[in-house]
Amino acid sequence: EIVLTQSPGTLSLFPGERATLSCRASQSISSSYLAWYQQKPGQAPRLLIYGASSRATGIPDRFSGSGSGTDFTLTISRLEPEDFAVYYCQQFVTSPTFGQGTKLEIK
Amino acid sequence: EVQLLESGGGLVQPGGSLRLSCAASGFSFSNYAMSWVRQAPGKGLEWVSGISGSGGSTDYADSVKGRFTISRDNSKNTLYVQMNSLRAEDTAVYYCAKPLKPGGWNRAFDIWGQGTMVTVSS
Repeated sequence: EIVLTQSPGTLSLFPGERATLSCRASQSISSSYLAWYQQKPGQAPRLLIYGASSRATGIPDRFSGSGSGTDFTLTISRLEPEDFAVYYCQQFVTSPTFGQGTKLEIK
Repeated sequence: EVQLLESGGGLVQPGGSLRLSCAASGFSFSNYAMSWVRQAPGKGLEWVSGISGSGGSTDYADSVKGRFTISRDNSKNTLYVQMNSLRAEDTAVYYCAKPLKPGGWNRAFDIWGQGTMVTVSS
């Protein structure tokens, strides 16, 4: 099983700041098989990024993804109030697995 | 509009059974593999099971293998999961999820249902 480790566990930032979230895989994976999701309390996850760097439909361009091999990054260039949520990475090279999540909170 | 609507959750005793349903609309259901993903209270996401568009291929997380059975009825555009021998650790919100592209369940999930809560407790 491919294990995804996200860091930090919690990230405290001000609106307008830049957020950088990390996802590390236990073995090298093709970037085609890496996605990022946003989840707000009481809601289902929402797909943000697939193929490590492609934005899903309707996702603002302040969200960007990058990385390859074992290290992947989700960047939010300028935080809006609605961006404070929990973020998960997911791999699907094998049976899908998710990282444990990063909580992005308002400082 | 593409939609998934789960139903069937509730309170069940340990060792009991429950069947969840997910009604799909707005897309060619039979062309897409589908998955169940769960989230225990206050915890992260866990993929549970996947099924091919035809229903001929299935896969399960080790945590549910031998206890859960995924199935689909393409004539009704509905996905199911039969959950037997339920344990306290199966307590979670269960989501059905559609992959971004047709083909296998090993895809990013672009559409999720609202979820249905399953509580396993005596």
